Amino acid sequence: GAVVSQHPSRVICKSGTSVKIECRSLDFQATTMFWYRQFPKQSLMLMATSNEGSKATYEQGVEKDKFLINHASLTLSTLTVTSAHPEDSSFYICSARGQGTQVPNSPLHFGNGTRLTVT
Amino acid sequence: AQSVTQLGSHVSVSEGALVLLRCNYSSSVPPYLFWYVQYPNQGLQLLLKYTSAATLVKGINGFEAEFKKSETSFHLTKPSAHMSDAAEYFCAVSGAGTALIFGKGTTLSVSS
Repeated sequence: GAVVSQHPSRVICKSGTSVKIECRSLDFQATTMFWYRQFPKQSLMLMATSNEGSKATYEQGVEKDKFLINHASLTLSTLTVTSAHPEDSSFYICSARGQGTQVPNSPLHFGNGTRLTVT
Repeated sequence: AQSVTQLGSHVSVSEGALVLLRCNYSSSVPPYLFWYVQYPNQGLQLLLKYTSAATLVKGINGFEAEFKKSETSFHLTKPSAHMSDAAEYFCAVSGAGTALIFGKGTTLSVSS
């Protein structure tokens, strides 16, 4: 249980274009999802908390107009990187807690990540 | 604010040797701590978690971790390393919200 699916796993786009990454909870409903960004050989940095039916909460320093998050249903959150530039190239990972476990002592379940390369 | 520090960005062991990956935490409240493993170009897989029920926590793949409040540590161990254990390991603590705060990670290399 608590499977998180992320798509695509890899995407290459040209500078200036937008890219959408989907994160789905396959066997549970996730009222909250988290988007992380990981640079090579570095840790995961929380970008934003995606809340179903409301606006996402962005971490300090994350441009909300560049990284658009939509959480329109209990099983789907999307991250759109708008007007992508080479410095946006990174590994993006979404995560969620299982249904009914929105408490700090429950683990996060992660998607397999999306490798974004902007040329 | 909660945080974790992983000591040693890279640990190398021989197959069959003891694995010890270090993690120290900082938290103003009783912490919830986790260890995750990441294989190349993949997401994170939960190894184990500490939620105050027991100080010695057993996880998957033969890993375990001991919570030591006096040392503010939550080190990950495995008695005998296997080649398949080579990966990136992250210690994490629950943050002020419900997200996890991760350490910088430790790369484990296993040689035959």
